[in-house]
Amino acid sequence: EAAVTQSPRNKVAVTGGKVTLSCNQTNNHNNMYWYRQDTGHGLRLIHYSYGAGSTEKGDIPDGYKASRPSQENFSLILELATPSQTSVYFCASGDWGGFTGQLYFGEGSKLTVL
Amino acid sequence: LAKTTQPPSMEAYEGQEVNVSCSHTNIATSEYIYWYRQVPHQGPQFIIQGYKDYVVNEVASLFISADRKLSTLSLPWVSLRDAAVYYCIVTPQGGRALIFGTGTTVSVSP
Repeated sequence: EAAVTQSPRNKVAVTGGKVTLSCNQTNNHNNMYWYRQDTGHGLRLIHYSYGAGSTEKGDIPDGYKASRPSQENFSLILELATPSQTSVYFCASGDWGGFTGQLYFGEGSKLTVL
Repeated sequence: LAKTTQPPSMEAYEGQEVNVSCSHTNIATSEYIYWYRQVPHQGPQFIIQGYKDYVVNEVASLFISADRKLSTLSLPWVSLRDAAVYYCIVTPQGGRALIFGTGTTVSVSP
């Protein structure tokens, strides 16, 4: 079973502080994704990556940076956190080669910005 | 990307079959249909994908209309564990990413 692990699972940050959410996958997938989900809403794509060293902007990239230092790791960085970034963040991995449409998601990281 | 329309919610009793519909009237020939579900406090989980006709796996079946403008996810014999938000996603194979809408909330009662 494919595995995607996120850390931290819960984070409380102060406005203006820096937050880093980390994601690790053991699936050897090329593609990784960061989504956020707010109460009552679907998932919205923030950043994604096609492989180590690459990052691409998703639909709502403002206020977020991403880093893909290796095949296994993909980080989401909030340089200056704001209360509007309070949300649950999900990381996912997948491989479009022979793509089956199957993304594997982590269990989420709940971020509260005070 | 084709826009999808799903009913916001559905209710069922345990043991019933549940059919969740998804309209995608502008689906392109390059696009496939994917279904995911998300239970509370977890990330979405892949259920099934299809391009045309009928697809079945151990979890669900997917019927796609002949013109591909409508798909229906069928969950046989639902249990309380099947209570979740079900997402229908239409995107090209090898596309950029999966774009999630608000889905259909399926409630299951004993």
